[in-house]
Amino acid sequence: GEDVEQSLFLSVREGDSSVINCTYTDSSSTYLYWYKQEPGAGLQLLTYIFSNMDMKQDQRLTVLLNKKDKHLSLRIADTQTGDSAIYFCAEWGSQGNLIFGKGTKLSVKP
Amino acid sequence: SQTIHQWPATLVQPVGSPLSLECTVEGTSNPNLYWYRQAAGRGLQLLFYSVGIGQISSEVPQNLSASRPQDRQFILSSKKLLLSDSGFYLCAWETGAGYNEQFFGPGTRLTVL
Repeated sequence: GEDVEQSLFLSVREGDSSVINCTYTDSSSTYLYWYKQEPGAGLQLLTYIFSNMDMKQDQRLTVLLNKKDKHLSLRIADTQTGDSAIYFCAEWGSQGNLIFGKGTKLSVKP
Repeated sequence: SQTIHQWPATLVQPVGSPLSLECTVEGTSNPNLYWYRQAAGRGLQLLFYSVGIGQISSEVPQNLSASRPQDRQFILSSKKLLLSDSGFYLCAWETGAGYNEQFFGPGTRLTVL
């Protein structure tokens, strides 16, 4: 079945770059997403990438997509303490619904 | 602008008691609506989705049910809660067009004791 995998934890120092990785299984996914969840809150769409793109950059965020390996990554440049959150990778599955990974908890140390 | 509301924000219920969580959306018409549960260590699990009034699709068999009595109202219910129903329940909506961005509510933290 369709599945999205990502590592559960990442710890970085303030000012460093963070890279969160994700693998997915459905090669027909048209869109792939990164959502951010701050403590005790709902999810918020950070960015998305269309499947015919390799890279998308939006200010401090860079999304890289390797369709051959079904690998998606999110790079946050100059990570700040306010970036501490859980980051969810998601794909738009063949059944017409979002399939989420379990989330990567990013901890930013001062 | 569109907003999504969920209530209550937190809930503590005994095992075997009923449940009703409500989600309402403002500022849009005929949205697709979703209920997710986020349990510790299990990520985000889709429970139900609805493409219109009275149309509910269930993704996971369980003792929960959902209803959509009005276009912008989505209700999650249970007749008898189990301990395993504890979690963070999120409602979301999307237009079903474009890049399918889903907009999430603030969530309800449910603890079943």
